[in-house]
Amino acid sequence: GDSVTQMEGPVTLSEEAFLTINCTYTATGYPSLFWYVQYPGEGLQLLLKATKADDKGSNKGFEATYRKETTSFHLEKGSVQVSDSAVYFCALYINDYKLSFGAGTTVTVRA
Amino acid sequence: DAGVIQSPRHEVTEMGQEVTLRCKPISGHDYLFWYRQTMMRGLELLIYFNNNVPIDDSGMPEDRFSAKMPNASFSTLKIQPSEPRDSAVYFCASSFSGRYQPQHFGDGTRLSIL
Repeated sequence: GDSVTQMEGPVTLSEEAFLTINCTYTATGYPSLFWYVQYPGEGLQLLLKATKADDKGSNKGFEATYRKETTSFHLEKGSVQVSDSAVYFCALYINDYKLSFGAGTTVTVRA
Repeated sequence: DAGVIQSPRHEVTEMGQEVTLRCKPISGHDYLFWYRQTMMRGLELLIYFNNNVPIDDSGMPEDRFSAKMPNASFSTLKIQPSEPRDSAVYFCASSFSGRYQPQHFGDGTRLSIL
């Protein structure tokens, strides 16, 4: 069935470092793709999304491009801050309303 | 704007007891989802509702779990009897109708069964 696979963490970075979290998907069609973020003690929040090939989603300095040729949706940020410390989830819909999440990647940014 | 509201935030109880988790979705949202999050299994969708009607409960682990949505602004997830392996963080989320709408999550209920 349709699913996403994301890189395992944890990832530890220094402030202002470049962050990449890999996500690849398996799907029969062309799903919409999402990145959600979970800050400590909170629920998940939508970070960005892309609905078709070559779309770029962006928010809060994060970007991800929907690459059909490599079935990927990697998350990137050029200069991370301590406040970006969180768990990041890649996700896609396996039907109109049912989201399938990756395992999550824990990111810790040190000052 | 008020987001998805869950209560309680934390619950500690002894095995065998009944546990009730509560959720108030965002006003106007037609869909409501219950998830469970554990270290071992990640995020699992338990059940979801559309216009207060359960659509897919295939993720509910056992008959000990039940969920209801008596009206558009309230849902419960009940575990009876509870067991230590039910310990997890339970999230409620809601969304508008329409394909691929983003889901808005509450802050979760951290449940510990002793």
